[in-house]
Amino acid sequence: GAVVSQHPSRVICKSGTSVKIECRSLDFQATTMFWYRQFPKQSLMLMATSNEGSKATYEQGVEKDKFLINHASLTLSTLTVTSAHPEDSSFYICSARGPTGQGIRAPGNTIYFGEGSWLTVV
Amino acid sequence: GQSLEQPSEVTAVEGAIVQINCTYQTSGFYGLSWYQQHDGGAPTFLSYNGLDGLEETGRFSSFLSRSDSYGYLLLQELQMKDSASYFCAVRDPPSSDSWGKLQFGAGTQVVVTP
Repeated sequence: GAVVSQHPSRVICKSGTSVKIECRSLDFQATTMFWYRQFPKQSLMLMATSNEGSKATYEQGVEKDKFLINHASLTLSTLTVTSAHPEDSSFYICSARGPTGQGIRAPGNTIYFGEGSWLTVV
Repeated sequence: GQSLEQPSEVTAVEGAIVQINCTYQTSGFYGLSWYQQHDGGAPTFLSYNGLDGLEETGRFSSFLSRSDSYGYLLLQELQMKDSASYFCAVRDPPSSDSWGKLQFGAGTQVVVTP
């Protein structure tokens, strides 16, 4: 089945530096991917929608200059946390829409999640 | 806007049955999904209801009543490994450019005790 791979799974960075997280669709083309953030014991909150070849669409309250999203190919979206601070420490996870055609037949399970990335800013 | 409400925590013993309710308010609706998430892991898809009624998948079942804006996830024959967070979620319709975007409820922590 469709697989989404996310890297790195864990990263520790110093305050003020930038860190990049990659989300790859391994065996299908994902024109649209989604980035979520989850703080401990809380829900997953959508940050932005990443569209191949165009600018990302950010949810209200998410700083687009701080969370840079690039979707330069049909299989890769990246999230860069710029000038990271300890409050950015969180679990970041991406998802991708499944291959075209699955949506109608099996709408419930056509969203594929990456493994997630734990970011710790020290 | 959209909002989903579910209980924060449920505790039950092994072998028991647990029902997690989810009520939602949405501007548009295209089905209710349920996800399981263990600590430190990614959410795992469990079930989806696009129409009213019961969907059964092994020990897990999910129910939807669109007229009541209500659904539930039923966990039967609880096992220790079922201890996790469970999220209900709604999504945009496949006809929209943003289909695939999920809005999650706050999550229900299920604690299974021996």
